[in-house]
Amino acid sequence: GQNIDQPTEMTATEGAIVQINCTYQTSGFNGLFWYQQHAGEAPTFLSYNVLDGLEEKGRFSSFLSRSKGYSYLLLKELQMKDSASYLCAVRTYGNNRLAFGKGNQVVVIP
Amino acid sequence: DVKVTQSSRYLVKRTGEKVFLECVQDMDHENMFWYRQDPGLGLRLIYFSYDVKMKEKGDIPEGYSVSREKKERFSLILESTSTNQTSMYLCASSSIGQGRYEQYFGPGTRLTVT
Repeated sequence: GQNIDQPTEMTATEGAIVQINCTYQTSGFNGLFWYQQHAGEAPTFLSYNVLDGLEEKGRFSSFLSRSKGYSYLLLKELQMKDSASYLCAVRTYGNNRLAFGKGNQVVVIP
Repeated sequence: DVKVTQSSRYLVKRTGEKVFLECVQDMDHENMFWYRQDPGLGLRLIYFSYDVKMKEKGDIPEGYSVSREKKERFSLILESTSTNQTSMYLCASSSIGQGRYEQYFGPGTRLTVT
């Protein structure tokens, strides 16, 4: 099975930087995904990492360390619209499905 | 852009009624999924399908069934609803192309069973 852990909630100030962590335990790791989900809406795909290192996409960056079973999503220049839940999900070899963490609720305050 | 649509945004049903939730994707994706999402429990996989007429149980299939007669359409069936099936139901699809398998979600159906 897979075990995916994320902190449940964090608060950050508009304009700041926030780091959202995700740790996982799985065999046959083959990719990690980050999703953003606003309240009452569906998750939307943000980023994908399969190799170690940092992937940057505008204000969002995602980092992966496969040896540590660890990823983080970095949000820079926080905006009010970034208030959402951030889900990490893991895929394993030979599997069409993803295993999702429970999500980290980020609240951005003025 | 990938578009995944679901038949209803909100549904209210009485205990014991039959419910069909339909999901349609327009990107020729091979894989389709049904999840439910509840506070504190996250996304839980009910069923998925990797091809027409093929289906596999997810983590919580009890009380549900599915149908995939066409590639673009995946239906979730609740034969006899119960109050513990009140939830947000999310459909998703993904492609095996490029080997990434990221899933794209529909807008969700909030089902209330009274």
